[in-house]
Amino acid sequence: EAGVTQSPTHLIKTRGQQATLRCSPISGHTSVYWYQQALGLGLQFLLWYDEGEERNRGNFPPRFSGRQFPNYSSELNVNALELEDSALYLCASSFRGDVSPLHFGNGTRLTVT
Amino acid sequence: GNSVTQMEGPVTLSEEAFLTINCTYTATGYPSLFWYVQYPGEGLQLLLKATKADDKGSNKGFEATYRKETTSFHLEKGSVQVSDSAVYFCAVTNAGGTSYGKLTFGQGTILTVHP
Repeated sequence: EAGVTQSPTHLIKTRGQQATLRCSPISGHTSVYWYQQALGLGLQFLLWYDEGEERNRGNFPPRFSGRQFPNYSSELNVNALELEDSALYLCASSFRGDVSPLHFGNGTRLTVT
Repeated sequence: GNSVTQMEGPVTLSEEAFLTINCTYTATGYPSLFWYVQYPGEGLQLLLKATKADDKGSNKGFEATYRKETTSFHLEKGSVQVSDSAVYFCAVTNAGGTSYGKLTFGQGTILTVHP
């Protein structure tokens, strides 16, 4: 079974630009979660989507947004990029909000210069 | 909201040494507890979990016991190997309110095992 896949692996953007990150969940999973892993800060919960709807959101500004498509894949958009947005963005999936366990992808490394 | 405090690293051990990584949590209700491991260049993998008080999670020689009285979930392994070198994350979740669908992670502990 294919795992959670994320693209691109690396992304370099300039401050003020927009970044789009993509995630495909494990087949049969309906929920997609996004986490930010900034250096030295552990993992911070960003967003949870299930069945196309945003179900929960972490303490991030509105310029972090996303959506989930009918095939359950998801994209994360970060507008007006700031230097501190540089981080590893991890996507995870599960079935209907059951976080026990979450299955993670290998992440997208976003660098803002 | 929920919170997790892990012992600060990095932790450096020799092969076959005993490992303990401390984890304490704050959560309401009846939380579930997890340990995840992140190998270099990879995403996180579930190592073990416990869903109620006094449960012991175990996998690959690692163990952790859910202690509600001390709000702790310390990770232990009797004899570490070089291949155990990774970052270990403790996490907590409980169903309900603003925590629904959300895993709260600790800061992570870097473990390096030398031959």
